[in-house]
Formats: sequence, structure tokens, C-alpha cells
Amino acid sequence: KQEVTQIPAALSVPEGENLVLNCSFTDSAIYNLQWFRQDPGKGLTSLLLIQSSQREQTSGRLNASLDKSSGRSTLYIAASQPGDSATYLCAVCNFNKFYFGSGTKLNVKP
Amino acid sequence: DVKVTQSSRYLVKRTGEKVFLECVQDMDHENMFWYRQDPGLGLRLIYFSYDVKMKEKGDIPEGYSVSREKKERFSLILESASTNQTSMYLCASSIGQGLDNSPLHFGNGTRLTVT
Repeated sequence: KQEVTQIPAALSVPEGENLVLNCSFTDSAIYNLQWFRQDPGKGLTSLLLIQSSQREQTSGRLNASLDKSSGRSTLYIAASQPGDSATYLCAVCNFNKFYFGSGTKLNVKP
Repeated sequence: DVKVTQSSRYLVKRTGEKVFLECVQDMDHENMFWYRQDPGLGLRLIYFSYDVKMKEKGDIPEGYSVSREKKERFSLILESASTNQTSMYLCASSIGQGLDNSPLHFGNGTRLTVT
């Protein structure tokens, strides 16, 4: 069964820092990998989706990379802002089933 | 934009009650999912559906059932609510149609408390 791990579980940085969140998975036979943001008490908002044939995707200050062979993805956030404070989850898709990591809780201090 | 709507944000029910959680999506998606999210356990799949009247068990189906009579609506049913079903319930949908690279879209969640 696919296992998805996110490290670190929590991260606190000062405003303006660039940061990297990590996601690893055990089965490289994935269709895609998706990064989500979750604010407290809310649902998940999709940030980026990387298809299995792609190496990276960018949206604004966010850049996600995918290395299928090593079972890793990173989410890079440039010039972090307090509004980026949230929990970030990654999910991998195998045969229309999605497997989630436990998330990284990010706190960006003003 | 895809909209996935869960009918209630907060629910409080008593032990033994039959509980219905409703989810509607407006983008003609084939795939719909129900997850629960608990601290320290992450998101766990309860049930999913690839088409109308079709359902498959996820990882933790015990104590739950689902109904999909129309393509846009996927209901989660707690036959006899118990306190260990107190949780955040999240509905999601994706295009399906063999497009395995389609993203997953979530509703805002229903916080269910069973007393």
C-alpha cells in the first residue's frame, strides 16, 4: 500500500524567507501528485498538480517538483508571507485513489 | 471553478441517531469521495464512487454507507452514530472518465460531533 510522508510536521519561519516542504512516497507508480493548502477548520484547496510525466509546476510564488524514481516531491515557497500560514498536504494518485501525507503546519511570523 | 458543496459546516448528533451528510458538485464529475480527517491520523478514505449507483469501500467503511442516486450528489450515511465517529468529514470530486491525471477538489468540510 502506498505510504506518504511529509517532513517536517511543523515549521516556523520569519516573513520573507524562502522555504521548502518535503513529501515522499513509497510506490513510484503514480499518475500524479497534488499539493494542497488547508486553513484551520476548512477544506483542502488545490495548489499545484504535477503529472507523472512532468518534473515541476509553478504558480506564482509556489514551485513544486517531482522525482518519481526517488519517490520525492518538494514544494518551494518564495518570499513567504504571514498569509501563507496554513497546513500543506501532498497527495499521490494511484489508479484513481488518492493517498495523503499528514501535512506540514507552516507558521510565517510577521 | 469547480464547486463542491457540503450541506452543513457543523453538526451535533446524539449516539444512535442516523446521520446524513450531503455533498454536491457542479462540474459533472464522475468520481466522488468521502474522507474523514482526525488529528494524528490524517485523511482516511471512507467510500468512493466512480459513477451513479456505483460505490466502493475505502480504508475505513465500517459504520458508514453511501448513496449516489444522481451524478452530482454523494451522500454519506452513519447508520447509528457513535462517539468515535466525531470527526471532520470531507467530500471531494474529480473528473474521472479515465483521466487519471485530473485534480481532486474538496468541499469545506462538515465538523460532526456525536454526543
